[in-house]
Amino acid sequence: AQSVTQPDIHITVSEGASLELRCNYSYGATPYLFWYVQSPGQGLQLLLKYFSGDTLVQGIKGFEAEFKRSQSSFNLRKPSVHWSDAAEYFCAVGQLINNNDMRFGAGTRLTVKP
Amino acid sequence: GAGVSQSPSNKVTEKGKDVELRCDPISGHTALYWYRQRLGQGLEFLIYFQGNSAPDKSGLPSDRFSAERTGESVSTLTIQRTQQEDSAVYLCASSLGGRGPYEQYFGPGTRLTVT
Repeated sequence: AQSVTQPDIHITVSEGASLELRCNYSYGATPYLFWYVQSPGQGLQLLLKYFSGDTLVQGIKGFEAEFKRSQSSFNLRKPSVHWSDAAEYFCAVGQLINNNDMRFGAGTRLTVKP
Repeated sequence: GAGVSQSPSNKVTEKGKDVELRCDPISGHTALYWYRQRLGQGLEFLIYFQGNSAPDKSGLPSDRFSAERTGESVSTLTIQRTQQEDSAVYLCASSLGGRGPYEQYFGPGTRLTVT
């Protein structure tokens, strides 16, 4: 079964600084990868997804992520963080077999310092 | 169109009571998921429905937890004899089914507090 690891439970960055959130997955075939964001008191929203093709994918709110098969990683990046980016970020991996269930990582909480 | 809806939004119950949580998925979405999110923690997969196939119940933590889905519509998650450790936000999500890991659309969740 597929699994996802987000090594960083909590990250703090200054507003305007760059951001990278790590995600590692375990899956035998080509994974389908997602990043979701959960703002305080709100539901989960999809930031971006990777299915195939270009390994650098662009998402909403200025986020991007790069799929690196050799490292089994799908790290999320943003060049300049805004205070409104403070939230919980979840990486997820899906599969294409008999069903399409997904597994989520434990999440990384992002704090943005003024 | 309407998104995923869940009811109630908040539920406070006494230890030992049964509770039912409801999820209305997006129309046309054949896949439906339930997750549990304890305070400060990530999403814990509970159960997955896909069309008329047998559900994937591999995430249900105990036999006190069960879920049903009527066709490709409403789903209810039932927790019997609730315990304090059941306190969490229960999230429902739906997606297009078939072959392909489609984006999951999440409901706002039901916050369950067991006293």
